[in-house]
Amino acid sequence: DVVMTQSPLSLPVTLGQPASISCRSSQSLVYSDGNTYLNWFQQRPGQSPRRLIYEVSNRDSGVPDRFSGSGSGTDFTLKISRVEAEDVGVYYCMQGTHWPRTFGQGTKVEI
Amino acid sequence: QVQLVESGGGVVQPGRSLRLSCAASGFTFSTYAMHWVRQAPGKGLEWVALTSYGGSNKYYADPVKGRFTISRDNSKNTLYLQMDSLRAEDTAVYYCASSWQLDYWGQGTLVTVSS
Repeated sequence: DVVMTQSPLSLPVTLGQPASISCRSSQSLVYSDGNTYLNWFQQRPGQSPRRLIYEVSNRDSGVPDRFSGSGSGTDFTLKISRVEAEDVGVYYCMQGTHWPRTFGQGTKVEI
Repeated sequence: QVQLVESGGGVVQPGRSLRLSCAASGFTFSTYAMHWVRQAPGKGLEWVALTSYGGSNKYYADPVKGRFTISRDNSKNTLYLQMDSLRAEDTAVYYCASSWQLDYWGQGTLVTVSS
């Protein structure tokens, strides 16, 4: 199975300041069609997960532009340009290239 | 708008069975692959299974292979997860999610396996 490794696992942040989460995969996530299926999800306290970013860098509808994704191959990053109070929660990366699908351990973002 | 509503969770004894349902609306269900993902209490997300839009292709995580069966009824816009031979470690909130890349999620249904 593809192992997804996130760091850090806990991220204390300051409102208005940037934050960054790393996600590394044990195998390349480039699919045979040339696309890279790396997604980012946000789970606020007490809520279901919500997808923020798909295929490395594409923001979902309604996701603030302070969230951005980047990376390639096996190394990916989620960045929040200026953290807001509503960004508190756990963030997961997930690979959608190989079977079985696998998630990172999650990064808890707290103020 | 897209809605996914899970049901069927509850408390069940080890070794018994349970069937979860996920009612979909707001999109053309029959053209979307669908997933089940679970989350044990206080833990991270674990992918469980996927069915392709027509139901002909199915994939499972190793911990549930041979015990769980994913299926769908496109005439009823409903996804199912038949869970047999349940174990304590299957205790979790079970979410359904749509599309190959999990674009929408339901609110989840809690399954507790305990004697």
